[in-house]
Amino acid sequence: DAGVIQSPRHEVTEMGQEVTLRCKPISGHDYLFWYRQTMMRGLELLIYFNNNVPIDDSGMPEDRFSAKMPNASFSTLKIQPSEPRDSAVYFCASSRRGGNTEAFFGQGTRLTVV
Amino acid sequence: RKEVEQDPGPFNVPEGATVAFNCTYSNSASQSFFWYRQDCRKEPKLLMSVYSSGNEDGRFTAQLNRASQYISLLIRDSKLSDSATYLCVVLNSNYQLIWGAGTKLIIKP
Repeated sequence: DAGVIQSPRHEVTEMGQEVTLRCKPISGHDYLFWYRQTMMRGLELLIYFNNNVPIDDSGMPEDRFSAKMPNASFSTLKIQPSEPRDSAVYFCASSRRGGNTEAFFGQGTRLTVV
Repeated sequence: RKEVEQDPGPFNVPEGATVAFNCTYSNSASQSFFWYRQDCRKEPKLLMSVYSSGNEDGRFTAQLNRASQYISLLIRDSKLSDSATYLCVVLNSNYQLIWGAGTKLIIKP
């Protein structure tokens, strides 16, 4: 299995632009997580899905952030409009049965908003 | 107070030494506990789960102290390749995974 696949690996964009991050979870995993990591705040859970349904989006910072999972093999995290404070590494992770099982992470998308 | 707290370090340790660090959690009803390892500019990867009775995997030993609400990770005979950030993860009573900010470990030759 190729593992969790994220794209792009790096994204540099100007403030105000729309940014879309993509994730393909491991086949057969029912849970998908989106995380953001910064030096100041560490790893933060933004949202997670179970069987393509958003379960907890309380970590989404504000309305500029949205996430979708149209099918079991694809998810997007969108930021519109982007701001410099959104600069971070965004990780997607998937797991077979949720919180008490191993989460497998993608390599992350390093987002820089200038 | 954060729900999961770790000493950020860095811990600077000579190669071959033993090093240990703790992670404290505030939710006494937390269910599961894990240590993840994250190399610089890489994604986190599971190092080991932490069981109530304590568990060992080679040079690594993890322990849980429910009374004092902390978990620990001990690394024996440390190697240069052990240099990384070690993240403590706790599954709380709301079935949420809460991540510590990580402890940075640097093994020096």
